Amino acid sequence: DAGVTQSPTHLIKTRGQHVTLRCSPISGHKSVSWYQQVLGQGPQFIFQYYEKEERGRGNFPDRFSARQFPNYSSELNVNALLLGDSALYLCASSYDLNEKLFFGSGTQLSVL
Amino acid sequence: GQQVMQIPQYQHVQEGEDFTTYCNSSTTLSNIQWYKQRPGGHPVFLIQLVKSGEVKKQKRLTFQFGEAKKNSSLHITATQTTDVGTYFCAGLPSNDYKLSFGAGTTVTVRA
Repeated sequence: DAGVTQSPTHLIKTRGQHVTLRCSPISGHKSVSWYQQVLGQGPQFIFQYYEKEERGRGNFPDRFSARQFPNYSSELNVNALLLGDSALYLCASSYDLNEKLFFGSGTQLSVL
Repeated sequence: GQQVMQIPQYQHVQEGEDFTTYCNSSTTLSNIQWYKQRPGGHPVFLIQLVKSGEVKKQKRLTFQFGEAKKNSSLHITATQTTDVGTYFCAGLPSNDYKLSFGAGTTVTVRA
């Protein structure tokens, strides 16, 4: 069975640009969460979606937005990129809320 | 907001020795989860603890959830080179859906 898949794996952008990251959850999983991980730190919660509705949002500016589609895949959008947005963006899926997370391999975003 | 603190940040262990990493939350948790991230990899789920005082074992790994459901520990016995990586605890507050990760304990092993 396929695990959580994320695309692209690597991305280089310049300040002010926008980016869209994509995630396909494990088949049958209804919840998708997004995390930002800076080198040497733990993953920081950005969003959680369940059944296509936003269930939680972390302490990130409005430049960050996301959505979940009818097939449960998800997109994370970041506008007006800043140097500080450079990080590994992890998508995780779970069958239901409050259950263990299965992480994808992440998208490594570099903002120059 | 809720904070999850982990100590120590780094653990350098001689192969064959034991060590423990600790996790503390500022709020009561409905559950706590532990993940392991190998260098260059992504976090992989290890275990979830739900009940007050719960203890679970996975081979050489022992996980414990505190009586007040605000702290947890991971104890590894007879450390092996395969234990290298960063261990994260992640707490789910009783009244929230946001799973908050600690900063992790990065383990290196001396052969």
